[in-house]
Amino acid sequence: GENVEQHPSTLSVQEGDSAVIKCTYSDSASNYFPWYKQELGKRPQLIIDIRSNVGEKKDQRIAVTLNKTAKHFSLHITETQPEDSAVYFCAANSGGATNKLIFGTGTLLAVQP
Amino acid sequence: EAGVAQSPRYKIIEKRQSVAFWCNPISGHATLYWYQQILGQGPKLLIQFQNNGVVDDSQLPKDRFSAERLKGVDSTLKIQPAKLEDSAVYLCASSIGQGEAFFGQGTRLTVV
Repeated sequence: GENVEQHPSTLSVQEGDSAVIKCTYSDSASNYFPWYKQELGKRPQLIIDIRSNVGEKKDQRIAVTLNKTAKHFSLHITETQPEDSAVYFCAANSGGATNKLIFGTGTLLAVQP
Repeated sequence: EAGVAQSPRYKIIEKRQSVAFWCNPISGHATLYWYQQILGQGPKLLIQFQNNGVVDDSQLPKDRFSAERLKGVDSTLKIQPAKLEDSAVYLCASSIGQGEAFFGQGTRLTVV
């Protein structure tokens, strides 16, 4: 079945440094790749997404890159701030009619002030 | 714009008891998802509806879990009987087609 793998599971960076989280997916029909941020005890919230017709998308300090051939995509956060500390989840849709949204296992990002 | 509403926020039950969760999606969102999120893990899709029809329920433990979405709007998820391993946050989400999924606050279930 469809599978999304995410690495690393934890990431600690110093404030101002960059953070990179990587995901791979198994379904070649996937064409939508969102990233969600979940703060402790709160709901997941979309921070950026990318579709398969684009290789890169940027929104201020956040960027996502997609390599369809290799079936992997990455989240890049530059100039990290303490408020970026949270769990980040990547996801991929299943493509086709069902459009299931399958999530990765999450990355706990800690930004040290 | 009102978000996805879920209730209750918290529920504690004993094993073998029954429990039901309710979700009201964003108005106009045809797709509704129920996810189970165990502490420290990513959301796991249990069931997906398109209007009032089931699109995917391959991960739903059908011997104890059931869900319905009458009239294509509100949805309920039921567990009967509950097991200890069902302790998790149950998240409801909705979307317009193949786009952003908006999540509710979730229901935190503790089975003792």
